[in-house]
Amino acid sequence: EVQLVQSGAEVKKPGESLKISCKGSGYSFTSYWIGWVRQMPGKGLEWMGIIYPGDSDTRYSPSFQGQVTISADKSISTAYLQWSSLKASDTAMYYCARPSGRGVMDDAFDIWGQGTMVTVSS
Amino acid sequence: DIVMTQSPDSLAVSLGERATINCKSSQSVLYSSNNKNYLAWYQQKPGQPPKLLIYWASTRESGVPDRFSGSGSGTDFTLTISSLQAEDVAVYYCQQYYSTPPDFGQGTRLEIK
Repeated sequence: EVQLVQSGAEVKKPGESLKISCKGSGYSFTSYWIGWVRQMPGKGLEWMGIIYPGDSDTRYSPSFQGQVTISADKSISTAYLQWSSLKASDTAMYYCARPSGRGVMDDAFDIWGQGTMVTVSS
Repeated sequence: DIVMTQSPDSLAVSLGERATINCKSSQSVLYSSNNKNYLAWYQQKPGQPPKLLIYWASTRESGVPDRFSGSGSGTDFTLTISSLQAEDVAVYYCQQYYSTPPDFGQGTRLEIK
């Protein structure tokens, strides 16, 4: 079964760092891009960025460039989303998702992780 | 960036009736070289991740009931649920994947009247 399994919920203080993960299984992890999507409480979906684990080619939305870092470790089939200094406004659910086409970045997301809730509060 | 605008923001439809959700892109998402519209529709139920319903504007994802259909081309698209079922209560999003960033519409909340 093709699936993406994300790390558990996090509660952090402003200014702290954080790295959340998304582990792929059931498919060739290095052959598909993996994207990250933010959903703030009660709000819509926002595309943050995407990485190709095969060569770590990474693209960011202008809205998130410089605010987060996307990376991947292909040896353990895991993608990451990290912050160096969290803000209260980073409180949101974060989803990883895989485009359906092998090697294709511009494609619909057919596989989604279960989501990781990040809460930033003093 | 391509801006995606959905209408209405919310919709209440009686069980068994038709539900129609519209999505408009600020520029065409039709790729002329392959004549494909780079437009997808997702369904998100409370507490769940989004689920892909439709891609290439009108192709139903495997396992999606045939009461769901997508239409449109260029900049104007429609998701239609032909006969609303109770389990269709959700928020629906369109997304363009023609260019980066592949942004989503703001969502349409569908409820039972």
